[in-house]
Amino acid sequence: EAGVAQSPRYKIIEKRQSVAFWCNPISGHATLYWYQQILGQGPKLLIQFQNNGVVDDSQLPKDRFSAERLKGVDSTLKIQPAKLEDSAVYLCASSPARGANVLTFGAGSRLTVL
Amino acid sequence: AQSVAQPEDQVNVAEGNPLTVKCTYSVSGNPYLFWYVQYPNRGLQFLLKYITGDNLVKGSYGFEAEFNKSQTSFHLKKPSALVSDSALYFCAVRDPGSGGYNKLIFGAGTRLAVHP
Repeated sequence: EAGVAQSPRYKIIEKRQSVAFWCNPISGHATLYWYQQILGQGPKLLIQFQNNGVVDDSQLPKDRFSAERLKGVDSTLKIQPAKLEDSAVYLCASSPARGANVLTFGAGSRLTVL
Repeated sequence: AQSVAQPEDQVNVAEGNPLTVKCTYSVSGNPYLFWYVQYPNRGLQFLLKYITGDNLVKGSYGFEAEFNKSQTSFHLKKPSALVSDSALYFCAVRDPGSGGYNKLIFGAGTRLAVHP
């Protein structure tokens, strides 16, 4: 089966600019996650969708970050305006549904904010 | 609060020797525990999980992990290390407050370096 697709793989922007990342999960996977991985740290969940509804966005900085999954398939994560501390790898993952399922991760989108 | 600790930033081992990557957790209730591996410029790949049952869990690429409830540990092990095992390893626990969804809390990661 095809994996989790993410784009772009790399993005360099200046602070206060905006950026968007796209994710296409594994076909049929109802749950989609966006994680932020800062260098030297473990991934941290930003937002979790079940189909097109938000399950958990408690750690999403809502003043600058937004995410949507309008049709319950692919998803977009946006940052506007970006700050230096947003430099990180943004990982998208998906899993079939609720339960003790394994997450399948994409390769990630590496953001550098100058 | 739920948390995962990986006490070693880096583990060095010679090829052919056994390896251990340590993980301890703090979570209410019965833990769901996972190990993932990350190779350079790649996403995280699943290695193994413990949900219930046998305390010794076997996973991909010859890795195994031992669940120890009294020590709240879930150490990753392999009997004979390969140079190709060199990567970043993450331990994770499912947040019991996530309502059955797979919200994972990750440790900071341990870099494994296997030398020829």
